[in-house]
Amino acid sequence: DGGITQSPKYLFRKEGQNVTLSCEQNLNHDAMYWYRQDPGQGLRLIYYSQIVNDFQKGDIAEGYSVSREKKESFPLTVTSAQKNPTAFYLCASAYMGQGVPDTQYFGPGTRLTVL
Amino acid sequence: SQKIEQNSEALNIQEGKTATLTCNYTNYSPAYLQWYRQDPGRGPVFLLLIRENEKEKRKERLKVTFDTTLKQSLFHITASQPADSATYLCALSISGGYNKLIFGAGTRLAVHP
Repeated sequence: DGGITQSPKYLFRKEGQNVTLSCEQNLNHDAMYWYRQDPGQGLRLIYYSQIVNDFQKGDIAEGYSVSREKKESFPLTVTSAQKNPTAFYLCASAYMGQGVPDTQYFGPGTRLTVL
Repeated sequence: SQKIEQNSEALNIQEGKTATLTCNYTNYSPAYLQWYRQDPGRGPVFLLLIRENEKEKRKERLKVTFDTTLKQSLFHITASQPADSATYLCALSISGGYNKLIFGAGTRLAVHP
């Protein structure tokens, strides 16, 4: 899992509640990502950020929000507007450089279950 | 439409044999392709990267090939061990724009003693 931590490992939420997933990295990476993984599907990109105080929507951003106030931290909020939030959430980071492949380093994941 | 496909059926092989996993893609022009390993309930871990102008890359018991004409990558594990049992994901890196990876759904490999 390298230098990326996610917490909590398991999270239970009641319908209608917002919940925030934590992601911290000490790799000094500029780029950070949030993915969602469902059984039998590839990782789907929710949000990404390449620099502090800036972030962009990925392919499935509806019902989610993020912030990037510090280089090390990229929390994800799953809002009540997300219709099917039960999934495995993965945070990743990558070094960004001209011509440098963006190998991503992943955290251990948070499994969110909506009750 | 753009697709990246990996065999959804699990691959079962005997210890000591070579495991070969396939990644096919359509309507992408990847700058490079990466392979990751994912164990149950954990995040993926990077294994190998191969660029579009490379045909083959090796690392210890691992070998990756990349055929941009066939739009296919093959991932080989030689002398497989039960500890190699995991799900293997391929990911395309698309040139242009931000650094974005497109992941396949992965193929589960089970190596039996």
